Amino acid sequence: NAGVTQTPKFQVLKTGQSMTLQCAQDMNHNSMYWYRQDPGMGLRLIYYSASEGTTDKGEVPNGYNVSRLNKREFSLRLESAAPSQTSVYFCASRLRVGEQFFGPGTRLTVL
Amino acid sequence: AQSVTQPDIHITVSEGASLELRCNYSYGATPYLFWYVQSPGQGLQLLLKYFSGDTLVQGIKGFEAEFKRSQSSFNLRKPSVHWSDAAEYFCAVGVSNDYKLSFGAGTTVTVRA
Repeated sequence: NAGVTQTPKFQVLKTGQSMTLQCAQDMNHNSMYWYRQDPGMGLRLIYYSASEGTTDKGEVPNGYNVSRLNKREFSLRLESAAPSQTSVYFCASRLRVGEQFFGPGTRLTVL
Repeated sequence: AQSVTQPDIHITVSEGASLELRCNYSYGATPYLFWYVQSPGQGLQLLLKYFSGDTLVQGIKGFEAEFKRSQSSFNLRKPSVHWSDAAEYFCAVGVSNDYKLSFGAGTTVTVRA
């Protein structure tokens, strides 16, 4: 039981490049989330998927897209990366009600 | 608007001393409350949670928290800290009809020998 896994762990991009962050959970959770973490700002929700087949914007969705590929997988795509998207990205999942379980994070630097 | 406030950005405590981290929230409905810990370079780990019932909840690693409805607070405590408790701590709040959690900005705890 791996919990929530994220790939890659580290990534460096140049401005304008695109990339997809992958997230998978093996806990049969219904809801999945993408956050970004920046110093002094806590965690800010980018997008979430309440259940398979649905996605909704969070607090800071601009510049990002998501795909809920199936119940296990929820990907985050940066179509044209900008330096302001340099951050640590966390994926999380939740069964129905209760706590969210977090992955180890992806450290992204955009030059 | 819903909000979560952690008033202390950084706390330094001596090993063996007690620790209290503050969390205040502003929510219209009865909230679910969580404390998470994040060690450097790691993801977030749940320390404890409150849904209902006894307002004093016990968590992992010797932590406890008390829900005080009248003060809209959910403060985290540990009687005697260990050097391994140096980390960043996040308070989070949710409500039953919402899939999302709101997180505080975090409190960094430094433990000195």
